Amino acid sequence: DIQMTQSPSTLSASVRDRVTITCRASQSISSWLAWYQQKPGKAPKLLIYKASSLESGVPSRFSGSGSGTEFTLTISSLQPDDFATYYCQQYNSYPLTFGGGTKVEIK
Amino acid sequence: EVQLVESGGGLVQPGGSLRLSCAASGFTFSSYAMSWVRQAPGKGLEWVSVISGSGGSTYYADSVKGRFTVSRDNSKNTLYLQMHSLRADDTAVYYCANFRGSSEYFQHWGQGTLVTVSS
Repeated sequence: DIQMTQSPSTLSASVRDRVTITCRASQSISSWLAWYQQKPGKAPKLLIYKASSLESGVPSRFSGSGSGTEFTLTISSLQPDDFATYYCQQYNSYPLTFGGGTKVEIK
Repeated sequence: EVQLVESGGGLVQPGGSLRLSCAASGFTFSSYAMSWVRQAPGKGLEWVSVISGSGGSTYYADSVKGRFTVSRDNSKNTLYLQMHSLRADDTAVYYCANFRGSSEYFQHWGQGTLVTVSS
């Protein structure tokens, strides 16, 4: 199974900060990586697929990069609506696996 | 507009069974693989199972293999998850989600249904 490791697990930031979350895969997954945002009590929402493709309707302040085993999700200017938990997910092979999540909190 | 609506969750005793349903609308259901993903209280996301559009192929996480069965009725646009031999660590919110085409990431999600396994 491919293990996905996210860091940090918690991140404290202020509005307008630039935020970067890292996701590492235990083996190469090419660019088969997605990012999701989840708010308390709600279903996850797709942000990024194929490592760097922005889902329709997602603000352009979100961006993804990386390939192989190292990936990043960047929020260029954090907005109040962005305080949430973020998950990466690999879809290179089954079982599909998620990172443990990164909670972005208000500083 | 794509809608996925789960139902069937509730309280069940250890060793018991439960069947979850996911009613889909707003897209050609039979053309898309569908998955179940769960989230234990306060924990992260865990993929559970997937079924192809035709229903001919299925995969399961090791944690549920042999106990859970995924199926679908394309005439009713409905996805199912039959769960047997439930354990306390199966307690979670269960989400159904669809893939975008043949890519195995989750484009749309339902609101989830809570399954609690407790005596």
